[in-house]
Amino acid sequence: AQSVSQHNHHVILSEAASLELGCNYSYGGTVNLFWYVQYPGQHLQLLLKYFSGDPLVKGIKGFEAEFIKSKFSFNLRKPSVQWSDTAEYFCAVRSKAAGNKLTFGGGTRVLVKP
Amino acid sequence: GAVVSQHPSWVICKSGTSVKIECRSLDFQATTMFWYRQFPKQSLMLMATSNEGSKATYEQGVEKDKFLINHASLTLSTLTVTSAHPEDSSFYICSATGQGLSYEQYFGPGTRLTVT
Repeated sequence: AQSVSQHNHHVILSEAASLELGCNYSYGGTVNLFWYVQYPGQHLQLLLKYFSGDPLVKGIKGFEAEFIKSKFSFNLRKPSVQWSDTAEYFCAVRSKAAGNKLTFGGGTRVLVKP
Repeated sequence: GAVVSQHPSWVICKSGTSVKIECRSLDFQATTMFWYRQFPKQSLMLMATSNEGSKATYEQGVEKDKFLINHASLTLSTLTVTSAHPEDSSFYICSATGQGLSYEQYFGPGTRLTVT
């Protein structure tokens, strides 16, 4: 069974600081990886995704993530955060073996102080 | 982009009554729809997967007689919470995917259910 773990439950940082959120998954086969963001009171939005190819994926709003297969990781980064990045971030994994169902990590709440 | 809507966005009902939540794909044909449940400060947990015209496939531990899912058309799926109880209070989110979307799921805005 596939599973996803996000190491940080809460992150607090100041504007212009760099952000890195950890994500590790358990399944050893071919996977698709996603990062979603949920702004307060809004629905889930896709930040970026990895299917294949270049392991460094660039997404919207200046976010990027790096797929490291040997570490089963897909960490999310942003060099300089803004107050508007305050949100909850979810890592998710999908695999054929799991019926193409998305499995979500526990989420990380990010608070950016102005 | 692909848009998914849910109705209602918020519902309060009395214990013992049933509540129906609608999920619609507005600009694409949703061959598959998913229903998730999100408790406060927790992640999304998949409840069931429904393919148009077929019976839904429920995840382990989800009571199919309590959470009735219907996916009768390519643009509409409904989740009915039958005989709701306070412990069913939660945020219910649907997502949809379809042909040509690389199986990417597009999420609805969610429905907050409060059972009193």
